[in-house]
Amino acid sequence: AAGVIQSPRHLIKEKRETATLKCYPIPRHDTVYWYQQGPGQDPQFLISFYEKMQSDKGSIPDRFSAQQFSDYHSELNMSSLELGDSALYFCASSEVWVAGELFFGEGSRLTVL
Amino acid sequence: AQTVTQSQPEMSVQEAETVTLSCTYDTSENNYYLFWYKQPPSRQMILVIRQEAYKQQNATENRFSVNFQKAAKSFSLKISDSQLGDTAMYFCALIQGAQKLVFGQGTRLTINP
Repeated sequence: AAGVIQSPRHLIKEKRETATLKCYPIPRHDTVYWYQQGPGQDPQFLISFYEKMQSDKGSIPDRFSAQQFSDYHSELNMSSLELGDSALYFCASSEVWVAGELFFGEGSRLTVL
Repeated sequence: AQTVTQSQPEMSVQEAETVTLSCTYDTSENNYYLFWYKQPPSRQMILVIRQEAYKQQNATENRFSVNFQKAAKSFSLKISDSQLGDTAMYFCALIQGAQKLVFGQGTRLTINP
């Protein structure tokens, strides 16, 4: 069965650079979520989209932005990167009417040097 | 606000033993879902078991079962006949409303041969 695809799996950037993470949800899933998991921490919700519109917003820095495109894939853009942005970034998808069924991708590990 | 608390940062048991991981939560809603996710060293977030709050019957998935005490807002995970492959971080999570998952701090479970 198709799963949530995230790319790239690993990314190394310098401070103050920009990074873009991509997420391809499971086909027919209309909702995408982004989570950030710092070292030794639980995942923190960043932002979600339903039908290409932002549906909820969590602890996402102003330096970050995200969008969902017409094909339902989503991109998380991170600018002016800081050392503290080093983390595992998860994307998850679901069908909005199937409550509680989130499927996670394998994550994108960002390292900021 | 929703909160999820896991009071056991680490646990360790011998292979084939039974282990119970604790989780308490707080929510003002009546309809919500509770989950246990497993995060092995590969870092992928894998759904272990799911419980709908309106169901009194405890969920069971093979060797995994939960003890859901709605009044006490407690949701523990029991792993029977533990296996080496069960070694992972286990996160308790709560979802309600707009389907934003809130995670607990995690419990690192080690199964020893």
